[in-house]
Order: sequence, then C-alpha cells, then structure tokens
Amino acid sequence: EPEVTQTPSHQVTQMGQEVILRCVPISNHLYFYWYRQILGQKVEFLVSFYNNEISEKSEIFDDQFSVERPDGSNFTLKIRSTKLEDSAMYFCASSGRGYTFGSGTRLTVV
Amino acid sequence: ILNVEQSPQSLHVQEGDSTNFTCSFPSSNFYALHWYRWETAKSPEALFVMTLNGDEKKKGRISATLNTKEGYSYLYIKGSQPEDSATYLCALANQAGTALIFGKGTTLSVSS
Repeated sequence: EPEVTQTPSHQVTQMGQEVILRCVPISNHLYFYWYRQILGQKVEFLVSFYNNEISEKSEIFDDQFSVERPDGSNFTLKIRSTKLEDSAMYFCASSGRGYTFGSGTRLTVV
Repeated sequence: ILNVEQSPQSLHVQEGDSTNFTCSFPSSNFYALHWYRWETAKSPEALFVMTLNGDEKKKGRISATLNTKEGYSYLYIKGSQPEDSATYLCALANQAGTALIFGKGTTLSVSS
C-alpha cells in the first residue's frame, strides 16, 4: 500500500537554527499538507500545496515557514529560525481520493 | 472559525466493554468527516470518510454514524480489546482538497 514517508523521524535543533523537514507524498496525489501537533494540543493545519503553489495557509504559517517541492517528489517544510514553541510533531499528508499521513517528525527545539 | 469538538477527552474501559465517542462540528459548509485512529509514534490510520447525512460505516468491531443536519458523528467500538487503545481523531473537510480541521481526539485505554 502506498505510503507517505517523512524524514527524519526525530530532530533536535538549537533555538534560532534553520530546520528542513522532508516528506515524500504518494506519487499520484495532487494535494500536499503540513500539520503539527504540540504536545497535549490539537492537530493544527499549517499549509496546503497544490499545483506547485500554496493553496491555503493558517495564521501559524508565518514568514518563518516556507514550503517547497524542489524535485517533483519531495515536499519540504522549512523553519528559518526555530523557537522553543516550534517543538511539536510535524505531519505531512497527501490526498487524492483519500488522505494519507506520514508517521511524523518530532522536532525538539532546545 | 470552524471548530471540531470531541468528547470525552479520555476514556478507560475494561476488555469486552462497548463504548462510543462523539464528534461535533458546524453543520454549514459540510463536505466530509474523517475518523482516524492514532497510536503513538505511528501515522494516523484512516478509519472512515463519511459524506452523506445518515451514513453508517463499519470496519470490524468499529462503526460510525453521521448526522450532518445537527452536526455530529458517533464512533462505536463493540467489545473493546486492549489493541483498541489509541487516540481517535475526527476531522472535518468543508470542501474537496482543503485542509482538515481536527478535533482534539478521544484517548481510549482498554484494560485486560
């Protein structure tokens, strides 16, 4: 069964550093998403991507965040200057007929 | 702002008990409701996607109903087993291809 894969599974970074979270969506899906879950809180939508551009973004997705599909297969989320409150599980998803989530990247900012 | 509420927040039952959870959502601009089962350190696993008022779906011992007019969905688990222990998330889509709005989830713990 096709999967959405995310790397790394866990990343620890120092405050102020840039991080790039990587995702490989299912190949015939057209919509791509990033969500995050801060420990103990709801899963929150960050951004959706369609036809090589952002189609929707939440208020969380400020200028510190950016997304790219650099090579037609990977879908990346970049956080330019991490803050302590960026510590969360970050989930990538893609959708075609249904939604499929990756297993997440746990980002810890110290 | 769309808000999806789930209750209870957590639940502890004995093996063999049947249980149910509630997901409430705004009934306007409804497109689809998703139920996911999420175990720690794994991907959320899709259980059901429900679109029609009155829909009932079943997968083994788990079933779900949908009422789009009053804005709620119930998830039922019959004869709970320890392996059912997980967080159950519902998520609302208000049109195709848009982001899902998640509830906070109901965490189920089943003791043997």
